[in-house]
Amino acid sequence: DTEVTQTPKHLVMGMTNKKSLKCEQHMGHRAMYWYKQKAKKPPELMFVYSYEKLSINESVPSRFSPECPNSSLLNLHLHALQPEDSALYLCASSQTGLASGRRNHEQFFGPGTRLTVL
Amino acid sequence: QQPVQSPQAVILREGEDAVINCSSSKALYSVHWYRQKHGEAPVFLMILLKGGEQKGHEKISASFNEKKQQSSLYLTASQLSYSGTYFCGTEPGRGSTLGRLYFGRGTQLTVWP
Repeated sequence: DTEVTQTPKHLVMGMTNKKSLKCEQHMGHRAMYWYKQKAKKPPELMFVYSYEKLSINESVPSRFSPECPNSSLLNLHLHALQPEDSALYLCASSQTGLASGRRNHEQFFGPGTRLTVL
Repeated sequence: QQPVQSPQAVILREGEDAVINCSSSKALYSVHWYRQKHGEAPVFLMILLKGGEQKGHEKISASFNEKKQQSSLYLTASQLSYSGTYFCGTEPGRGSTLGRLYFGRGTQLTVWP
């Protein structure tokens, strides 16, 4: 299995709602990422988990809350979002460099969740 | 630390060649290249780890000049399927946290029949 899956594909939510995005991979990767991508822009890193521990938080507002229940799953909990948070949310995974001694490995992206905040 | 990509956009006829450049003001450890089609996720193309190393994948190859902190992606005899936005992702050589890539703004490539 060389796939990263994300659910849901599309999500529309109001500013007072609470919702969650889910990401799953079964490639044995121990690094998982959340990115936010606006139209015609590059992916913007939000969070990185390495061995199920949060290793990077790019000063993301607290209305975004990541969670890594196990090595295959990554969630992003959303609460009180703003319309400007509407974007494509991408999950990615990679082997970590810790095992191989190499710094960085290729990242495999999921199809993304298209989020619209009304 | 965002790398600079050029050109911003390229329009080609099928069979023509193109070069996309990526440069950084910081010393680099690695450069990654991804292609993203409209409405889809980025797809990994290749990673370059050593200076001067060229890696290839069919008609797409890339080079990495460590000293100049630059990488170039070469697309030869372009096909319609090459259309999309190409991003380079760079990993700084020093003080970089594992997993942190800095993506360029992207180069939009359009191939016409």
